[in-house]
Amino acid sequence: SQQGEEDPQALSIQEGENATMNCSYKTSINNLQWYRQNSGRGLVHLILIRSNEREKHSGRLRVTLDTSKKSSSLLITASRAADTASYFCAILNDMRFGAGTRLTVKP
Amino acid sequence: EADIYQTPRYLVIGTGKKITLECSQTMGHDKMYWYQQDPGMELHLIHYSYGVNSTEKGDLSSESTVSRIRTEHFPLTLESARPSHTSQYLCASGGRGELFFGEGSRLTVL
Repeated sequence: SQQGEEDPQALSIQEGENATMNCSYKTSINNLQWYRQNSGRGLVHLILIRSNEREKHSGRLRVTLDTSKKSSSLLITASRAADTASYFCAILNDMRFGAGTRLTVKP
Repeated sequence: EADIYQTPRYLVIGTGKKITLECSQTMGHDKMYWYQQDPGMELHLIHYSYGVNSTEKGDLSSESTVSRIRTEHFPLTLESARPSHTSQYLCASGGRGELFFGEGSRLTVL
């Protein structure tokens, strides 16, 4: 399995602060994806980064990928209470998910 | 907006009942997946399909079965529900890239 492992398990910050979540994996990848899950709902795709990319932006999201360290990070800037959710990384073609990072943004 | 639908959204049933959780997608995706997830916990892949008449078991031992007679349909069946089956079941489909998830079916077995 190429399952990604997210870290930390839980993160609590104040509105306006930045939130950083990390993902580590064990094998070579073609790309890595990040998903978001609101409590009790399905997952929603956020962003995909390919193995030949080092950084990618989408709105307030910034994703980095370090293939030498087999790790990725997701940065949410200027967080809002509505960003409260669990965040998961996933490896394409494997489609297994770790336990995710539970982010709480306090208003 | 994702065109993948799960029914029922919530289901409470007694032990021993047979249930089918429905999952339909209108995106023409060949790949479809079922995950089981307890609240606040990781997703466990229980079944997947890469096309019509193709089904495989996932990582988590599950007493459920699936079928894939039509591309758009991937139902999951429990022949005899038990309290240990209480969980949320998430269906997903995917093409070349991302997965699209349904809203989930929350099953409670009394």
